[in-house]
Amino acid sequence: DTAVSQTPKYLVTQMGNDKSIKCEQNLGHDTMYWYKQDSKKFLKIMFSYNNKELIINETVPNRFSPKSPDKAHLNLHINSLELGDSAVYFCASSQDQRPLHFGNGTRLTVT
Amino acid sequence: AQSVTQLDSQVPVFEEAPVELRCNYSSSVSVYLFWYVQYPNQGLQLLLKYLSGSTLVESINGFEAEFNKSQTSFHLRKPSVHISDTAEYFCAVSEQNQGGKLIFGQGTELSVKP
Repeated sequence: DTAVSQTPKYLVTQMGNDKSIKCEQNLGHDTMYWYKQDSKKFLKIMFSYNNKELIINETVPNRFSPKSPDKAHLNLHINSLELGDSAVYFCASSQDQRPLHFGNGTRLTVT
Repeated sequence: AQSVTQLDSQVPVFEEAPVELRCNYSSSVSVYLFWYVQYPNQGLQLLLKYLSGSTLVESINGFEAEFNKSQTSFHLRKPSVHISDTAEYFCAVSEQNQGGKLIFGQGTELSVKP
């Protein structure tokens, strides 16, 4: 019954690797997002997709590539991981400008 | 550009005491305002929101916030806190035509002690 689900919950990997985080929402929302929470708990939007179309891209390095196969899924692929990519990544969804529903986050640790 | 400032990074308080978590924002356009709560190792949950109408908004667990346009504030209050309210609280703002693009404050860690 989870509304916005992300996998994996934890991800530990080495510098230079490529990894993906998956997100699915079963709320029927038309817009999905990726937010990043850094070590100081500061949250910032990375991307937003509406009906599989990219609408927000907030000066994120092009090593980060979101992919939306359908409006219920928004995956995040990260190439050539760096130490500074360590953070908690949150997926979220919304409908018609209404408040966001967040997933429980994926804690990425790059060693 | 918009910005959100949460004036207190940590607020320790005893159980059953009142609490106020302060939030100020700046924006040149009309905004929506939100408070989200994050319990340890969990995602963010919407606590309450101001979209329009009454400037005083309430949540189901006793929190309330008042939108003050002249002071550009949206402070969160609760008259009597419980241990279970211990969490990180985030104030956020979005432009009215960009509902999903939230600008967050730095967060306030509320620690309720017995």
